[in-house]
Amino acid sequence: DGGITQSPKYLFRKEGQNVTLSCEQNLNHDAMYWYRQDPGQGLRLIYYSQIVNDFQKGDIAEGYSVSREKKESFPLTVTSAQKNPTAFYLCASTQGSSNQPQHFGDGTRLSIL
Amino acid sequence: AQSVTQPDIHITVSEGASLELRCNYSYGATPYLFWYVQSPGQGLQLLLKYFSGDTLVQGIKGFEAEFKRSQSSFNLRKPSVHWSDAAEYFCAVGAHGSARQLTFGSGTQLTVLP
Repeated sequence: DGGITQSPKYLFRKEGQNVTLSCEQNLNHDAMYWYRQDPGQGLRLIYYSQIVNDFQKGDIAEGYSVSREKKESFPLTVTSAQKNPTAFYLCASTQGSSNQPQHFGDGTRLSIL
Repeated sequence: AQSVTQPDIHITVSEGASLELRCNYSYGATPYLFWYVQSPGQGLQLLLKYFSGDTLVQGIKGFEAEFKRSQSSFNLRKPSVHWSDAAEYFCAVGAHGSARQLTFGSGTQLTVLP
């Protein structure tokens, strides 16, 4: 079955450490997205990519970085510059048109040690 | 820019009772509207979507939503709630031709009492 795989499910970060969250999709979707979810705040867009080797900042990009070297992969790095990284991170993909629904992975919960 | 408001942070209903979750949007033209559901520790699952045409939209799991342009609303309804419907529900709006796609509301947490 086609879908989006996020790994790991749980991740712990030490102070001053960068960590990378994986997102892979086999839906052949063009566009991919990273969201951060905090209690009571809904989903906030971190980065998005419409095509390989291109990506744009969302609303809360500071302290995060991404790459899009392959169509099926869109990893997110949470850098040490992100001072409050504890959150639930969701990856999504879509065919690219604004009227197409997004498909979501099951998320990665990042916590600080 | 578009925006979405879900006025109810938390709703509690008894099993078998009817349900209505409110969603108000702000957008200058006819929007694309979506309802998603999220179980704890999981991703979001699409319940239904509205693009154009019939303003009453049917979705999965017995849910429906009605688009009311005059009220800028897209409320989600279910005639009889099941215990398995307990989850968080998100309304989202999409803008025509927008690369960044969707703007989400802050969510409504649904508790179902036995």
